[in-house]
This record gives sequence, structure tokens and C-alpha cells, in this order.
Amino acid sequence: GESVGLHLPTLSVQEGDNSIINCAYSNSASDYFIWYKQESGKGPQFIIDIRSNMDKRQGQRVTVLLNKTVKHLSLQIAATQPGDSAVYFCAEDRDDKIIFGKGTRLHILP
Amino acid sequence: SAVISQKPSRDICQRGTSLTIQCQVDSQVTMMFWYRQQPGQSLTLIATANQGSEATYESGFVIDKFPISRPNLTFSTLTVSNMSPEDSSIYLCSVVPGEAFFGQGTRLTVV
Repeated sequence: GESVGLHLPTLSVQEGDNSIINCAYSNSASDYFIWYKQESGKGPQFIIDIRSNMDKRQGQRVTVLLNKTVKHLSLQIAATQPGDSAVYFCAEDRDDKIIFGKGTRLHILP
Repeated sequence: SAVISQKPSRDICQRGTSLTIQCQVDSQVTMMFWYRQQPGQSLTLIATANQGSEATYESGFVIDKFPISRPNLTFSTLTVSNMSPEDSSIYLCSVVPGEAFFGQGTRLTVV
């Protein structure tokens, strides 16, 4: 099927290494941020979220860091696995609407 | 969590025709959202569909091109009208009961 990541920046990571995907946002008033994973042929899947009163939140193998000073968000994936191969989008809540960033394709090297 | 079903999952349509996409949620939700994802791109919000009122469209999207219905709290439709090849995209509906959940999308190809 058609890939949704053909024109998106790509991050290539060795299997077992940690991945760091970065995202910049524009609206300093945004107070809720979400990372999504989208596999080919599927809709976006929620990974982890963070509110603006936090600067770090951890999930299973994933960590989101929020730097409000420079309006920067990152997603860290520990011990990257082949199943992590997908397109990752950051998104922000603006007036109860989820607005997506550009996305990054994560490619896992064997 | 919410389970969202979209129909059709894909379609190939002739230019100049219209296609109506259905979105069914397994629980009642106040707001439903329609997105477009053009090939190789991120998701762009088309409109917000609230039950009992007209949809609210984002900049660059108009009701004549993308009419939306929201007859009840579990269902919405998006119509892509007078289609051209530029409308070839994946169209997704979403709900936000806390976290945003997405349907699998409708992959539309206009020829």
C-alpha cells in the first residue's frame, strides 16, 4: 500500500539503540501535547502525552520531554525494535482541537 | 477508549463525482473531527463536527466542498464533493474523549 512517510524526514536507528525524535511547536499557549505513531495503512495511534505543567513523562519504553522555553518536544524510544518502524507525529491541543506537526519516519536498521 | 469505524476503507472515484465517508463511534462523544492526510504529508484538520450545530471549518476548507453531517452523538459523515485528483488523500475521523482516537481512515483515489 501507499506509504504515508515518503516525503517526511527520516531517522535511521540501529535495532537496540535508543531513538530520539524531535518536534518544534509554535503556539506558546498550547498546554497539552501528544505523540502519535502511524504505521502504513493505519490511522494514528496514541503513544504518550504531556501537559505543560510537566517537563518529562515516561511510559513503557517511551519518554516525552517538553521544553517550553524553546517550544520543543521530543520522544525518546528505548531499545528500538523493528515494530517501532513507523511515522511519528507530535501534536498539540489548540482550543480542544488536535493539530499535527510534520512527522518523522523512523527506520530501523537490522 | 473509543472504537471508531470508518466506511469505506478505500475507494477509487471518477473526477466530478462525490463520495460520502461514514464514521461510527462506539460511545457518545460531543465532538468529532475530520482530517485529511495527503500523500507523504501530516494530518490537516478539515472541520469539527458537533451534534446539533453546523460544523466548524478550518482555514482553506469550505462547506460546499466538504459538507458534514452529525445527526447524533455517535455518527458523522464527510462528503468530498466534485472531486478532482488533488482530493486523493486519506480522510480520517477522530474523537477526543481525553486522548484523541482515530479511525483507520478512508483512502481515496480520484482518477
